[in-house]
Amino acid sequence: DTGVSQDPRHKITKRGQNVTFRCDPISEHNRLYWYRQTLGQGPEFLTYFQNEAQLEKSRLLSDRFSAERPKGSFSTLEIQRTEQGDSAMYLCASRPQGAGDTQYFGPGTRLTVL
Amino acid sequence: GEDVEQSLFLSVREGDSSVINCTYTDSSSTYLYWYKQEPGAGLQLLTYIFSNMDMKQDQRLTVLLNKKDKHLSLRIADTQTGDSAIYFCAESMGGGYQKVTFGTGTKLQVIP
Repeated sequence: DTGVSQDPRHKITKRGQNVTFRCDPISEHNRLYWYRQTLGQGPEFLTYFQNEAQLEKSRLLSDRFSAERPKGSFSTLEIQRTEQGDSAMYLCASRPQGAGDTQYFGPGTRLTVL
Repeated sequence: GEDVEQSLFLSVREGDSSVINCTYTDSSSTYLYWYKQEPGAGLQLLTYIFSNMDMKQDQRLTVLLNKKDKHLSLRIADTQTGDSAIYFCAESMGGGYQKVTFGTGTKLQVIP
């Protein structure tokens, strides 16, 4: 499978715990995005990487959230001190270099905070 | 800021055509997209249209863009039960990092 993969697919955690999600983009794609999707809503942009550089962060990304892409390949999204309001689907997408190319989404990680 | 709006629900009979509508506010939108999301799955890009186009057809899918009214529609011909899903309209300005702004989605129910 050469698509975007995410791990884990589901995560249940207790409030206050830290969680980390991983995204593996399509191998030749240098641009990587994280989105959050809550029930009944469309995805909302969280952050963007070009290679290893994090170039844009949404105001939705509070200081409890941190994302990395250390070698410009896979990326991790960590949420510290989780809150019930963090419960959502976290989607990763990747895109190759060049204008006009679209984003390819992974299956998402569904987070439930109890 | 950008805003994308869609109706929440559409029900059609199998074999009929479905038309899903979307309005957006950002006149500088360069790309307009339609994504499909099935239950428990990620987003699948169906088609996209550049803002300098009026129409794009791809097999059973027809996208119409009225840039003056900032209105986008997706027509699915001969709708099948497998088309039941949530359809998201989305836009981006292109260039740079191309952040995509999504609508809230339209749930399409196909009745056999």
